Amino acid sequence: QQQVKQSPQSLIVQKGGISIINCAYENTAFDYFPWYQQFPGKGPALLIAIRPDVSEKKEGRFTISFNKSAKQFSLHIMDSQPGDSATYFCAASIEGGYQKVTFGTGTKLQVIP
Amino acid sequence: EAGVTQFPSHSVIEKGQTVTLRCDPISGHDNLYWYRRVMGKEIKFLLHFVKESKQDESGMPNNRFLAERTGGTYSTLKVQPAELEDSGVYFCASSRQGGTNEKLFFGSGTQLSVL
Repeated sequence: QQQVKQSPQSLIVQKGGISIINCAYENTAFDYFPWYQQFPGKGPALLIAIRPDVSEKKEGRFTISFNKSAKQFSLHIMDSQPGDSATYFCAASIEGGYQKVTFGTGTKLQVIP
Repeated sequence: EAGVTQFPSHSVIEKGQTVTLRCDPISGHDNLYWYRRVMGKEIKFLLHFVKESKQDESGMPNNRFLAERTGGTYSTLKVQPAELEDSGVYFCASSRQGGTNEKLFFGSGTQLSVL
């Protein structure tokens, strides 16, 4: 059973547009929600993360929105650039333990000029 | 600072053969993790080492998989005998401390194809 559901599977956005990736989780014990960015031939790299005591976190063009009651969170990429083309994974884990991360299935983003 | 290094980057073997994957974590990182992504699905946790000790191997699929981390430095993941469903990308990751405040660094992965 998949504990973190991610959509869409793939996404094509024009340069300058907004990319939105959505995730939902089941386990209410999750209390740390990172997003990872993976370029072809590379491993996932931490992009931005949020804890459930805040509803939004912004770092540059990347924003996480978090809805604890709905058990949903999303990544918004503003002013999307071709260099943002990558696979994005939402994830969840339980703080206080170790990095046993539960990942979503990934979204392949393509930003076209 | 060198990142997490994995070897080989690709491995193609036949069903029934043995394959050993290697991971060199970032120097000084006591925590080492193995993850696997099968055919476009989610990346799944396999196991976690602290130094040379296995802390959690709940994600290991079955007893055909054996992970070791002798001396608390590099780690190996052996699959013996390999089956078709073992194909996928095997990622190694490391962190200095165990908690989520510590950034998790991933290697580039080993693409395993079992034919």
